Amino acid sequence: GQNIDQPTEMTATEGAIVQINCTYQTSGFNGLFWYQQHAGEAPTFLSYNVLDGLEEKGRFSSFLSRSKGYSYLLLKELQMKDSASYLCAVRDRGTGFQKLVFGTGTRLLVSP
Amino acid sequence: ETGVTQTPRHLVMGMTNKKSLKCEQHLGHNAMYWYKQSAKKPLELMFVYNFKEQTENNSVPSRFSPECPNSSHLFLHLHTLQPEDSALYLCASSQGDTSGAYEQYFGPGTRLTVT
Repeated sequence: GQNIDQPTEMTATEGAIVQINCTYQTSGFNGLFWYQQHAGEAPTFLSYNVLDGLEEKGRFSSFLSRSKGYSYLLLKELQMKDSASYLCAVRDRGTGFQKLVFGTGTRLLVSP
Repeated sequence: ETGVTQTPRHLVMGMTNKKSLKCEQHLGHNAMYWYKQSAKKPLELMFVYNFKEQTENNSVPSRFSPECPNSSHLFLHLHTLQPEDSALYLCASSQGDTSGAYEQYFGPGTRLTVT
């Protein structure tokens, strides 16, 4: 089976940098996704990593180390609107191309 | 607005009722999904349809019955539900190819309460 771990909750201050970690165990890793979900809204796609390294997209970056089963999402210059849940999801070759397994999500609270 | 719409947004039903959830995607995708999101639990995949064919049933009880009449529409028929089925039901869509990232685009969900 697959196991995905993320911290339950994090707090940070406006303008700061925060790193949200995700560790996973899977036998046939085939990609890792980060989604943002504001309360009461749909999850929205943030990033995708399938090779080791850092993917940068504006204020958000995502890093992957396949050998360590580890990813992080880095949010810079935090804004109040970044308060949301951040979901890590892994795709496994063994369970099918379209099956994503999600972590429980990390709730980020950004304060002034 | 992600291009995936769901109706109704909120639904309260008794355990003996029959209701249906509807999802429509305007993105030209070929794959559609139903997920269940309960409090303090991970998003849980229920069903996958690829080019209108069901390719995944994640051990979902038969009181949930999906229907995909075409690549743009997906239904979830509900009957004799239990209170523990109360949750947010999310629909998603993506490209149906087997290569590439092809991220999933989610609808806003239907908040279901079973009384």
